[in-house]
Amino acid sequence: GAVVSQHPSWVICKSGTSVKIECRSLDFQATTMFWYRQFPKQSLMLMATSNEGSKATYEQGVEKDKFLINHASLTLSTLTVTSAHPEDSSFYICSAFSGRRSYEQYFGPGTRLTVT
Amino acid sequence: AQSVTQPDIHITVSEGASLELRCNYSYGATPYLFWYVQSPGQGLQLLLKYFSGDTLVQGIKGFEAEFKRSQSSFNLRKPSVHWSDAAEYFCAVGAGSNTGKLIFGQGTTLQVKP
Repeated sequence: GAVVSQHPSWVICKSGTSVKIECRSLDFQATTMFWYRQFPKQSLMLMATSNEGSKATYEQGVEKDKFLINHASLTLSTLTVTSAHPEDSSFYICSAFSGRRSYEQYFGPGTRLTVT
Repeated sequence: AQSVTQPDIHITVSEGASLELRCNYSYGATPYLFWYVQSPGQGLQLLLKYFSGDTLVQGIKGFEAEFKRSQSSFNLRKPSVHWSDAAEYFCAVGAGSNTGKLIFGQGTTLQVKP
């Protein structure tokens, strides 16, 4: 199956700093990438949909100025958490969608963000 | 609006016993349905999917699921559970059109007793 990587796998940062998380589709071109947030023992919450070359579409309640998403190429999307605060600590997961087979997304391994 | 419900938050079964995880969906048209598994601290792995055709679908790791339109259900089953199956299981439905967007259920935690 298709492979999606995320980097870093875990990161600790201080409150007020920004953190960038990369999501790469390694062996296919992703027309769309999705960013999810997952709290402990909870389901995945879709944050935003990222289409290559266009602005991301954010779900209701997600601050677009805080969670900056860039999808500069068909294999790379980045999520930048700006001015991070402890409440931003979470598990962030990306997925990539090729658009060829309906809804068949491939998920990255996730990034654990801890803000101190 | 589309939605997915997994009625069981936590299930414990003995190793070797059979397993059924429930999933109910709400969707106006023929749904695209998925089951994913997540091990602790990991991303999601696709177990199986239903798009059309045979309503009993086979997946990886010995799992299968049956689509029942009349019950709006897509329950996941395995005849004999292994200790390594302990994980979080998520049912998901395609959110409409060819956007790739998925709606996830709340998840079911599976614990396997030795």
